Amino acid sequence: DVKVTQSSRYLVKRTGEKVFLECVQDMDHENMFWYRQDPGLGLRLIYFSYDVKMKEKGDIPEGYSVSREKKERFSLILESASTNQTSMYLCASGLAGGETQYFGPGTRLLVL
Amino acid sequence: DQQVKQNSPSLSVQEGRISILNCDYTNSMFDYFLWYKKYPAEGPTFLISISSIKDKNEDGRFTVFLNKSAKHLSLHIVPSQPGDSAVYFCAASLPYGGATNKLIFGTGTLLAVQP
Repeated sequence: DVKVTQSSRYLVKRTGEKVFLECVQDMDHENMFWYRQDPGLGLRLIYFSYDVKMKEKGDIPEGYSVSREKKERFSLILESASTNQTSMYLCASGLAGGETQYFGPGTRLLVL
Repeated sequence: DQQVKQNSPSLSVQEGRISILNCDYTNSMFDYFLWYKKYPAEGPTFLISISSIKDKNEDGRFTVFLNKSAKHLSLHIVPSQPGDSAVYFCAASLPYGGATNKLIFGTGTLLAVQP
């Protein structure tokens, strides 16, 4: 079974704080992804990575950055959190060349 | 510009009957289509997929139909069970380059199966 874990299930931060969301997968997948889910908008891709130290912008990268120093770990960074970044953040991983992505449980982030 | 659309935000079905969830898309370059199921406060779980060269894929109670000419796919659940109550997301896979596929998601349909 694929296991994708995220460091926190719930997080409360203040506006302007730097926020780190961590994701770890145990299936040796090459590809990793960060999404946010908002009501009525579905899942939107923020960033993805197809290899260590490689990253690509998704559809809504503004206000975010990522880091992939090891194959199993993909971090999402909010450089200066804002209230409009309050959301459910979902990490996923998948095999190179594979279409299926496997998701973690999500982190619900509230920015006050 | 929404490339994957789920026009029904919600659907209510009686237990034992068929649930039909619909999805429309605009991009002819999508090579796979997937359905995910999501319970509240959990991540989406993969349910079933179909290649763009097929028109039907079946897995137990779940069948996905693809109509390429209409750019439409549907998920059929027969018989529906109360445990099927969840949000269902349709997703389309777009080859990005190299060995990476991007998934484009619809906005989801909340299915409620009434006992």
